[in-house]
Amino acid sequence: EVVMTQSPATLSVSPGERATLSCRASQSVRSNLAWSQHKPGQAPRLLIYDASTRATGTPARFGGSGSGTEFTLTISSLQSEDFAVYYCHQYNDWPQTFGQGTKVEIK
Amino acid sequence: GQMEESGGGLVQPGGSLRLSCAASGFSFSNYVAQWVRQAPGKGLEYISAISSNGGTTYYADSVKGRFTISRDNSKNTLDLQLGSLRLEDTAVYYCAGGNFPVHWGQGTLVTVSS
Repeated sequence: EVVMTQSPATLSVSPGERATLSCRASQSVRSNLAWSQHKPGQAPRLLIYDASTRATGTPARFGGSGSGTEFTLTISSLQSEDFAVYYCHQYNDWPQTFGQGTKVEIK
Repeated sequence: GQMEESGGGLVQPGGSLRLSCAASGFSFSNYVAQWVRQAPGKGLEYISAISSNGGTTYYADSVKGRFTISRDNSKNTLDLQLGSLRLEDTAVYYCAGGNFPVHWGQGTLVTVSS
């Protein structure tokens, strides 16, 4: 199965700063990659799909890039509501697999 | 779109439980649906999926032979029958609609304990 590796595990950022999250696939997943936001007690939220397409309702400060095996989620200016855990997820191959998550916390 | 799970709870090892999920706000019947779980302190595990017409299913090795996924497109519902439950099945179970997880539910907690 495709192993997804996210880095860093935890990212400490001040509000208003830029955050850059990385995701690496053990083999090419083309552009079949999504990013989701997870907060305790809430339904996870799809942010980005097809590596760079914002889902409906995703603010423009969220941007996705990459293809093949290297992907990046960038949050241009962190807002208070953005502190959460972010997962990358590949849907190119079965089984679909997730990274282990990056927690974005307040610095 | 939205998904809403129900049916979680406390069950003894070896027991059974049925999780249900109601979809709304999107064309549920046109898409794959899946279950994803997260054990305490662990990451997300993609455990089962079913094609739009229900004809094809997928199970992770960790649940194969013990869990059964099904759907009723006339009711926009997705079910997961959990059987021969083990301590390691303790997790929050999420249903999700879409050809990959697009529309997520809030999750339902399944606790396997004696």
